[in-house]
Amino acid sequence: GENVEQHPSTLSVQEGDSAVIKCTYSDSASNYFPWYKQELGKRPQLIIDIRSNVGEKKDQRIAVTLNKTAKHFSLHITETQPEDSAVYFCAASKRNTGGFKTIFGAGTRLFVKA
Amino acid sequence: DVKVTQSSRYLVKRTGEKVFLECVQDMDHENMFWYRQDPGLGLRLIYFSYDVKMKEKGDIPEGYSVSREKKERFSLILESASTNQTSMYLCASSFIWRDSNQPQHFGDGTRLSIL
Repeated sequence: GENVEQHPSTLSVQEGDSAVIKCTYSDSASNYFPWYKQELGKRPQLIIDIRSNVGEKKDQRIAVTLNKTAKHFSLHITETQPEDSAVYFCAASKRNTGGFKTIFGAGTRLFVKA
Repeated sequence: DVKVTQSSRYLVKRTGEKVFLECVQDMDHENMFWYRQDPGLGLRLIYFSYDVKMKEKGDIPEGYSVSREKKERFSLILESASTNQTSMYLCASSFIWRDSNQPQHFGDGTRLSIL
């Protein structure tokens, strides 16, 4: 069935270093790939997304890359700051019979040490 | 700003009870979703709806049903609550633009405990 695998499950970096989170998806019909950040006790919020007709997208310190052939996409955070500490979820979405179905990865807990 | 409101932040129910979780969005979104969030398992899709009275099963629909009588409201129903349904439940909504999916907006979640 449809599946999104996310690695690593936990990531600890020093402030100022880069962090990379990787996801793979199984359904080649997926065409929309959002990333969400969830701070402790709060709701998930979109930080960046990419569509299947684009290979890379950047927004300040955050970038996402997509390799459709390998069914692989990654989140890159540069110059990490303590406030980047949170759980990050990748997701893959596609058109289903009537609407759009989104499958999430299991999440990556990022710790940024000051 | 999109507002997705879930009726309760915390809820405690007993095994065998019928439980209703309510979600309301104020942005006229077509799509609405129910997820459960468990440590190490991420967000798992229970049911979603793309229009009034329309629904589709997600990955873990067993033991749940949903109702969407009005566009702004999507209800999750636990027909006969069991302890393995103790979890955080998240509602989300999104709109469709030019036949493309758009980001989901989440509610604050309902932490449900079944005793």
